Parts: sequence; structure tokens; C-alpha cells
Amino acid sequence: SQTIHQWPATLVQPVGSPLSLECTVEGTSNPNLYWYRQAAGRGLQLLFYSVGIGQISSEVPQNLSASRPQDRQFILSSKKLLLSDSGFYLCAWSVPTGNQPQHFGDGTRLSIL
Amino acid sequence: GESVGLHLPTLSVQEGDNSIINCAYSNSASDYFIWYKQESGKGPQFIIDIRSNMDKRQGQRVTVLLNKTVKHLSLQIAATQPGDSAVYFCAENRGGSYIPTFGRGTSLIVHP
Repeated sequence: SQTIHQWPATLVQPVGSPLSLECTVEGTSNPNLYWYRQAAGRGLQLLFYSVGIGQISSEVPQNLSASRPQDRQFILSSKKLLLSDSGFYLCAWSVPTGNQPQHFGDGTRLSIL
Repeated sequence: GESVGLHLPTLSVQEGDNSIINCAYSNSASDYFIWYKQESGKGPQFIIDIRSNMDKRQGQRVTVLLNKTVKHLSLQIAATQPGDSAVYFCAENRGGSYIPTFGRGTSLIVHP
């Protein structure tokens, strides 16, 4: 069966520090991969998605970037974190065809001090 | 019922009652719909989906109804349990898109 792993579960970082969040998927090949951010009590904001290695689409101008160095690995990064980057970051995968459900990891709670 | 504003709409029910969570979708071209359940501190979990060629689909204790005429989607949970307490999101896809559009979510609170 397919599984998705995100780490770390929680992270506290100072303003101006770099960020690297990692997500890996097991049990499937060539998945579509997604990064979302969720503010407290709010819906899901799509940040990036990828349909293949090295292919990244950005949905919203951000202080963030994403990379997909391997088929089942998706990384969210920042060179310098801002206070506004605080939030709950979720990685998800779906099979590589349209009209399929997404499957989410358990998220990373990021707090910027 | 639902409320307008920055806070999530909230539905409070008693354990054992049936719950109905509603969602109005925006695009008449949407042809695939999904319901997710998100427990506190966790990622959304897929519950059930329905395609536009259907009006109703049933799972274990859950039923999704689709009314394309008024662009309305609902999730019915039978014999609601405290473990059903969570935020429920609907999502719509159109034309085989990889990117769903999520609703704002409804908080379901089940009182024992």
C-alpha cells in the first residue's frame, strides 16, 4: 500500500533562517506531488505541485521554493524565513491522472519567532 | 447550520444523530467531487468521492449526494460518533485537472 511521510512534525525557526521540509511517498510510481499551506482555522492554499522529476509549478508568489530531486521526494525550501511563513504545511500525492483524490501527509507545524 | 465570516462554519450534533454537511461548489464544469476529514493536528483524510454522472454514492456510514442543478454537494454521516468530530472539506475538480478547488471547511462537533 502507499504511504506518505513528512518531517519534521513540528519546527520552530527564527526569522531569517533557512528552511527545508521533506516529503517522501512509498508504494507508487510517478505520483503527482503537492505542497499546501493551511493557516489556523482556514482552508488549504496550494503552494507548489509537480508532475515529474524536476518539474515544479508555483501557484502563489512566495518566499518559498520547491524541488523534486527524485520521483517520490518533494522538498519545500526557503533561504530566509519571514514571520508570515508560519503555518501548517501539508504534502500530498495523487496518481498521475486527473480526477483522483489526493492523499495527505500529517503535516509540519512551522512556527517562526 | 452555517455562519458567514472568518471562522469556520460549525455543526454541532448529539452522538447517535445523523449529520449533514453541505457544500456549494462554484463551477458548473466540475465533474469530480471529494470529501475529506481533517482531525486536529493531522492532514486531511480522503473519505469518499463522486463523479458527475452519479447523484448518490454510499460508503460505510457515509453518503454523498450531488445536485448538479443547484451545484450542491452534501455529506451525510449516519449515527454520528465522537470520533467523527473533525473539520470536513469538500473539493471539486474539473476536466481531469490535477488541482482540486477546496471549500472552506465545516467543523463538526459531536457531543456525547
